[in-house]
Amino acid sequence: EVQLVQSGTAVKEPGESLKISCKASGYSFSNFWVLWVRQVPGKGLEWMGIIYPGDSETRYSPSFQGHVTISADKSVNTAYLQWRSLKASDTATYYCARHAGIGVPADFWGQGTLVTVPS
Amino acid sequence: QTVVTQEPSLTVSPGGTVTLTCASTTGAVTGGHYPNWFQQKPGQAPRALIYSTSNKHSWTPARFSGSLLGGKAVLILSDVQPEDEADYYCLLCYGGDCVFGGGTKLTVL
Repeated sequence: EVQLVQSGTAVKEPGESLKISCKASGYSFSNFWVLWVRQVPGKGLEWMGIIYPGDSETRYSPSFQGHVTISADKSVNTAYLQWRSLKASDTATYYCARHAGIGVPADFWGQGTLVTVPS
Repeated sequence: QTVVTQEPSLTVSPGGTVTLTCASTTGAVTGGHYPNWFQQKPGQAPRALIYSTSNKHSWTPARFSGSLLGGKAVLILSDVQPEDEADYYCLLCYGGDCVFGGGTKLTVL
């Protein structure tokens, strides 16, 4: 059974750093891209970027390039999303999903991680 | 910047049929955009319904179908059930980058 289990809720102060995780199981982690998606409270879904754990090739959406870092550790089947300096505007729920290739960009999803940065 | 547009809200009666559309500011949506559709209920993660225009995942109910119509991607819900009340998002891919639509809030009333 394919599963993506994300780390728990995070509450951070502006300027702090944060790294959230997405642990995959039930499939060959190295051979599928992983997608990260942002959802601001009450708003829609936003495509952030993808990573191929096999070689760590990463592609960012222009809106998120330079603001976050996506990484992966295939030895522990885990993808990460990282901020160096959080802002209040980063408050959102972040989802990871398995990208199963061309035409199937997100078949299985994690449960989401809520990140709160008070203003 | 590419924008993908959906109806903000739609209402349908139980047992009825409703069509949700997904358009692109770059022009007609084609199979090369690999349209995907997702359902999201309050407090839950999105769930994939349709991939590559019209293909269903193994868990997708038969009453959901996808296609292209009039330059847009469409999601058709037939015999709508109360549990279909949710937000629906389309996703279009432009080369290596993909863009979600703004979502349609479907009310079953």
